[in-house]
Amino acid sequence: AQKITQTQPGMFVQEKEAVTLDCTYDTSDPSYGLFWYKQPSSGEMIFLIYQGSYDQQNATEGRYSLNFQKARKSANLVISASQLGDSAMYFCAMREVNDYKLSFGAGTTVTVRA
Amino acid sequence: KAGVTQTPRYLIKTRGQQVTLSCSPISGHRSVSWYQQTPGQGLQFLFEYFSETQRNKGNFPGRFSGRQFSNSRSEMNVSTLELGDSALYLCASSLVAGDYTDTQYFGPGTRLTVL
Repeated sequence: AQKITQTQPGMFVQEKEAVTLDCTYDTSDPSYGLFWYKQPSSGEMIFLIYQGSYDQQNATEGRYSLNFQKARKSANLVISASQLGDSAMYFCAMREVNDYKLSFGAGTTVTVRA
Repeated sequence: KAGVTQTPRYLIKTRGQQVTLSCSPISGHRSVSWYQQTPGQGLQFLFEYFSETQRNKGNFPGRFSGRQFSNSRSEMNVSTLELGDSALYLCASSLVAGDYTDTQYFGPGTRLTVL
């Protein structure tokens, strides 16, 4: 079964606007970590933000914030004030306490328009 | 602190050949994981090394192997290359193994093309 689902294959956003990337996950482990990565066309996977399953508050890192809704098993990434350099593929990933690897979603391509 | 480095960045090989990819983790990181990324299959876990021991292996044939050295640097080897092995191979390092809160930091990847 798919552990991470990203339903938006591609999105367009206007520069300086906010964009929300959807991510839902499936796990029966009570302990897990959720990660978002950015992959520009160069290929490198850049870590953006982390949310632990026991974290009470939503994680934030600069212009990135994670909207964590545990009961809905949702971990949406919000990018505020989009910049042209934000154009990339974004991956949601999960690491469970009883697993050893990152399980990735299919990714969402974001294109920022000037 | 320097990031994860991978060499070479690009490789072109022909079917039947073998290839070795190298990964140097962030200083102080002892766990190295390898992932294969293809348009069709997405990102798939290959294996994880910690303290020179392979801790876990993904669902890949035995043609895919790896090792880790005492300085935590890691290599992966693919023998008898097939066209389907064409992919971006990403290496990731983290402080320890088996900690779900531990962030994996990725290198720039090695893009392998098999002709």
